[in-house]
Amino acid sequence: GAVVSQHPSRVICKSGTSVKIECRSLDFQATTMFWYRQFPKQSLMLMATSNEGSKATYEQGVEKDKFLINHASLTLSTLTVTSAHPEDSSFYICSALAGGENQYFGPGTRLLVL
Amino acid sequence: KQEVTQIPAALSVPEGENLVLNCSFTDSAIYNLQWFRQDPGKGLTSLLLIQSSQREQTSGRLNASLDKSSGRSTLYIAASQPGDSATYLCAVRGQAGTALIFGKGTTLSVSS
Repeated sequence: GAVVSQHPSRVICKSGTSVKIECRSLDFQATTMFWYRQFPKQSLMLMATSNEGSKATYEQGVEKDKFLINHASLTLSTLTVTSAHPEDSSFYICSALAGGENQYFGPGTRLLVL
Repeated sequence: KQEVTQIPAALSVPEGENLVLNCSFTDSAIYNLQWFRQDPGKGLTSLLLIQSSQREQTSGRLNASLDKSSGRSTLYIAASQPGDSATYLCAVRGQAGTALIFGKGTTLSVSS
């Protein structure tokens, strides 16, 4: 089956720094990728939809200047958390869409901001 | 705006029991529905995908049904095992090419 990877799997950073998370579709091309955030004991909340070669579409309440998304190729999307603060600590999961209906998920990145 | 609700939020059963997890969604105009499993601190494992035109899907001890008109789906787990302990997430897709919208999940604990 299709595989989606994320890097890093875990990151700890100081408040005020920026963190970049990479999401790659390893064996298929994905024109559309999604970024979700999951707080402890909560469900996955959609943050944004990323389309290759165009600007990402953000969900209501998600700051586009804080969560920068770049989908530069058909196999790579990146999420940069700018000027991270402790409240940004969360589990970030990306997923890639294959064939319009099969959504494959990465293993997630756990971010801890001190 | 689509909302997905899962009941119960948590469930504890002894090994061997058959159980049913419930999922409801507010907008019945869905493209498909998917059930996932998530172990603590881990990513998602897809269990079953049901297209809007289908009524059910089966995989091993798992059976998922879909009643689109009433906005409901159930996940049936037969002969539960301790290894089934995890959080089960229901998610719906409104249209082809759009993101899955998730419920909050049901956390299942199966004791031996």
